[in-house]
Amino acid sequence: GNSVTQMEGPVTLSEEAFLTINCTYTATGYPSLFWYVQYPGEGLQLLLKATKADDKGSNKGFEATYRKETTSFHLEKGSVQVSDSAVYFCARINAGNMLTFGGGTRLMVKP
Amino acid sequence: EADIYQTPRYLVIGTGKKITLECSQTMGHDKMYWYQQDPGMELHLIHYSYGVNSTEKGDLSSESTVSRIRTEHFPLTLESARPSHTSQYLCASSRPGAGGMGAFFGQGTRLTVV
Repeated sequence: GNSVTQMEGPVTLSEEAFLTINCTYTATGYPSLFWYVQYPGEGLQLLLKATKADDKGSNKGFEATYRKETTSFHLEKGSVQVSDSAVYFCARINAGNMLTFGGGTRLMVKP
Repeated sequence: EADIYQTPRYLVIGTGKKITLECSQTMGHDKMYWYQQDPGMELHLIHYSYGVNSTEKGDLSSESTVSRIRTEHFPLTLESARPSHTSQYLCASSRPGAGGMGAFFGQGTRLTVV
């Protein structure tokens, strides 16, 4: 089937720590992959995307690389800030051109 | 900036009332969606539309209904609200064939039924 699995949270880090949020997907073919971020009280915003294998999406210091061999799209940031505290969703496009989301991972960054 | 708007942002309403959650986008997108987000954060697709006069049920069964009379407008209606409808509702839109672009989301409506 078409599904997305991401690590459960919450993830609690100190400011300037390194962040990894794991995401794996099941797929037929090569779906476009996305990371969305949801700040408190807000809707989802597209953070970054990758449309084909080995693509690296990046934005605001976050990066994720489309790994076909491991069907993964892990989100990373070298040095998190308090303002990065939010919920992060990994997503893929399915055959019907619909977004399928992972369960979300809450990130809390402490000063 | 995404041009998709939801109103109201917050709504507290009594059981049995009829409510309509508004969603409008000015991007000319054909595809629009409604997601319900539970307190555990997970997103569930409850309705979507491919364009005017098209409405489809999503993955999660919902007592709500939607309509799509105009491209830019995709309202969601609950005929008789119940406490079990308390949730965050997120509207989104995308261009057809825009698999590489993802979807744009509104800011959401947080509904509380008392």
